[in-house]
Amino acid sequence: VQVVESGGGVVQPGRPLRLSCAVSGFTFSRYAMHWVRQAPGKGLEWVAVMSYDGRNKYYADSVKGRFTISGDNSRSVVYLEMNSLRDEDTAVYYCARDLTPDGGDYGDAFDVWGQGTMVTVSS
Amino acid sequence: DIQLTQSPSSLSASVGDRVTITCRPSQNINSYLNWYQQKPGKPPMLLINAASSLQSGVPSRFSGSGSGTDFTLTISSLQPEDFATYYCQQSYDPPLTFGGGTKVDIK
Repeated sequence: VQVVESGGGVVQPGRPLRLSCAVSGFTFSRYAMHWVRQAPGKGLEWVAVMSYDGRNKYYADSVKGRFTISGDNSRSVVYLEMNSLRDEDTAVYYCARDLTPDGGDYGDAFDVWGQGTMVTVSS
Repeated sequence: DIQLTQSPSSLSASVGDRVTITCRPSQNINSYLNWYQQKPGKPPMLLINAASSLQSGVPSRFSGSGSGTDFTLTISSLQPEDFATYYCQQSYDPPLTFGGGTKVDIK
């Protein structure tokens, strides 16, 4: 069971970036998937969740309207499309699986985490 | 949004000490409270969900308690591998939120 993030890098303010999270070892379509970020030296910040069936998506206030979470069941991949990036979006972005299969609209706890991918927003 | 206030923000303790960390939500969240441990350069690890349910493989010296607006994570006898930062997280209502963290270091 694992999740592996990719797509991070250095991007200029205002530019877009898409992160990917490939999952393996479990049935992707049964679990909500989350993105959580951590700015350098700071605490954890939940970013977004997509419910197990893809019907429900929720976002942190800080990214609402700029970030979009989506998934591809055929490839077992979840994405985070990030637009209008700001300096304060600089962070390690973690993909995490929800604890409960076939769970509720917005998930519960995060039991499987990737190693993270670093996003640096800088001119 | 539900705010989670963790205390203390840091503490120094010795091996064998009993350690208690508190998490107080800004509103009643029943038992929708989870605890994580994070070591430097690593992703967090889920320790406890639903306030008191210990995850498989987590040592029994870790325990969680509480409900409503007052929760506690207790380490009954601190071990060298327990020096880390601990976070609480609520799953009662989106946006899901984390506490600010408690760093446990060596006295």
